[in-house]
This record gives sequence, C-alpha cells and structure tokens, in this order.
Amino acid sequence: EDQVTQSPEALRLQEGESSSLNCSYTVSGLRGLFWYRQDPGKGPEFLFTLYSAGEEKEKERLKATLTKKESFLHITAPKPEDSATYLCAVPLPSGTYKYIFGTGTRLKVLA
Amino acid sequence: DTEVTQTPKHLVMGMTNKKSLKCEQHMGHRAMYWYKQKAKKPPELMFVYSYEKLSINESVPSRFSPECPNSSLLNLHLHALQPEDSALYLCASSQDGGSGVTEQFFGPGTRLTVL
Repeated sequence: EDQVTQSPEALRLQEGESSSLNCSYTVSGLRGLFWYRQDPGKGPEFLFTLYSAGEEKEKERLKATLTKKESFLHITAPKPEDSATYLCAVPLPSGTYKYIFGTGTRLKVLA
Repeated sequence: DTEVTQTPKHLVMGMTNKKSLKCEQHMGHRAMYWYKQKAKKPPELMFVYSYEKLSINESVPSRFSPECPNSSLLNLHLHALQPEDSALYLCASSQDGGSGVTEQFFGPGTRLTVL
C-alpha cells in the first residue's frame, strides 16, 4: 500500500538547536518528493522538490535530502520564525494526479 | 507570478445555503485541485481538473460540485452542507498536465464554517 509517514509528529527546539525531520515513503516508482511549510490557517508553501536518491536542495536554514526510502529536512540553527508544520508529499503513479501527503511535523522553535 | 488566489477568505453558511468558493491562477498551469483540510490533519484531495476536465473525484459527496470554466479558474459550489464539512478548503495548481511531475502551488485557503 502506498504510504507516507512523517516523524516526529511534533518537535520543540530552542533557537539555534539544529535537528532533522523525517519523511518515509512506500510508494513504488518514486516520481518525486515535495516538501511544504504550512503556517496555521494558511495554505502550504512549496519549499523543495527532490527527484532522485542522493539529491539535496538547500534554502536558507533548510536542507532537504532524499534516499531510496526516505527524505530528511534538516534545520540548521533554527529561528522562531521557522515554527510551522512541515509536510512532505509524494505523487502516485503516472496517469493520476493524486499526491499523498504525510501527516506533518509541527515544529516549534523557542526564543 | 506564482500566486494562487482564493475568495472568500472566510465563509459562514447555514445548512440550507448555497455558496461558491473561487480560485484563480495565472501561471499557465494545466492541473488544478481542491483539497479539504481539517485541523492538525494533512490536506485531503477532493477533485482534480486536468486541461479543464475532471480527472479525479475522490468519492466526494454530491453537495460539493466543482466547476472549471477555463484553465485559470476553478470554482467549488456548495449546497446543503453539514457541520462536519467545516474545514479549510485549499485550491492548488501544478504545471504538469501529462506525464511530468511538478510541485503544487497552494492558495491561502477559505475557512468554511457550517452552522
């Protein structure tokens, strides 16, 4: 069964305390993996696309990596403004337009 | 322009009302989506339009009726909703209309409350 699992469910960090969020998937024939950031009551904001194992993308304090079974979102020296829910999503097989979203990691960065 | 707009931002309606949610994008994307999101849950797919034709309907109740007047516009008509339909409704678009896979861009959402 196609599945996307994120861990941890919630994470509290002190400002400057680096950590990693995990997104595990069991989708055959991965065609891409997407990371989004969502603030409360707002639509998800696109962060990164990863297409193949070994690929890495960076943006400010965020770095996304991809292996054959999972993706990590590394947050280096986070700031309070990085507090949000981080979602990963994987598209299902070709011919559909369905994306499976993980349940998200709620990140809180304390000043 | 990488923006998807949605109106209204907030909507309160009774169970007998008829209302519509609107979504617009000017990125030339050929796929547009409606999602429903409950608190602390991921977005759930409701409908997908590809090249203005309904491609996926995830067995959504008939009280939700999508419409895609053209490639830039997407509407969601609401009728006889139930209180459990209260949620954040998100519109999204993506470039791919064929075999390519690209990211989705989301609108800010409409917060719907059904009384």
